[in-house]
Amino acid sequence: GQQLNQSPQSMFIQEGEDVSMNCTSSSIFNTWLWYKQEPGEGPVLLIALYKAGELTSNGRLTAQFGITRKDSFLNISASIPSDVGIYFCARPAGGGADGLTFGKGTHLIIQP
Amino acid sequence: GAGVSQSPSNKVTEKGKDVELRCDPISGHTALYWYRQSLGQGLEFLIYFQGNSAPDKSGLPSDRFSAERTGGSVSTLTIQRTQQEDSAVYLCASSPGGWTQYFGPGTRLLVL
Repeated sequence: GQQLNQSPQSMFIQEGEDVSMNCTSSSIFNTWLWYKQEPGEGPVLLIALYKAGELTSNGRLTAQFGITRKDSFLNISASIPSDVGIYFCARPAGGGADGLTFGKGTHLIIQP
Repeated sequence: GAGVSQSPSNKVTEKGKDVELRCDPISGHTALYWYRQSLGQGLEFLIYFQGNSAPDKSGLPSDRFSAERTGGSVSTLTIQRTQQEDSAVYLCASSPGGWTQYFGPGTRLLVL
């Protein structure tokens, strides 16, 4: 399937800073999803986007579906220690597989 | 209510042995998915069930992998003649429909 390019691979930030990460694809998709995974757990859905240009918030998290339909962004404002984890973008795998294709993740580390 | 559960949570086996991984989806969820997550990597989609049928098995890494779902509920992923490269976290997710998937905590498989 098509690869998703997620960046950055990791982020080391101070508590209180804002965070921004993005995901790009060479193909157009109608759905972008953002998940967070904490150690020893499965991913948890944060935000789902279904329309180009859509901007959706979930608390301090905001995600946008790029106008080109080939990218998406996730921002976290005023980071706190519990934001630590790996953030994954995902989109439908396509080709009738009906699963999701995930990016390789952005590992967020927060220094107090 | 109860989330997706997986068992065992950890499994250590010897190369060449067969292993069986179990997934109990959220009650009422018709769709069930299996993914594999290797160390430091994103999730790799393996197979999807709608009810008891799996329309597309092409995501399974080799013919040593098989999966079944009975009664539209519990699913098992079987790996025959395990190899060291099969070591990974195997995640199961279920969905009531659409692209919202709820993940279990995973089974950590180590093949020695």
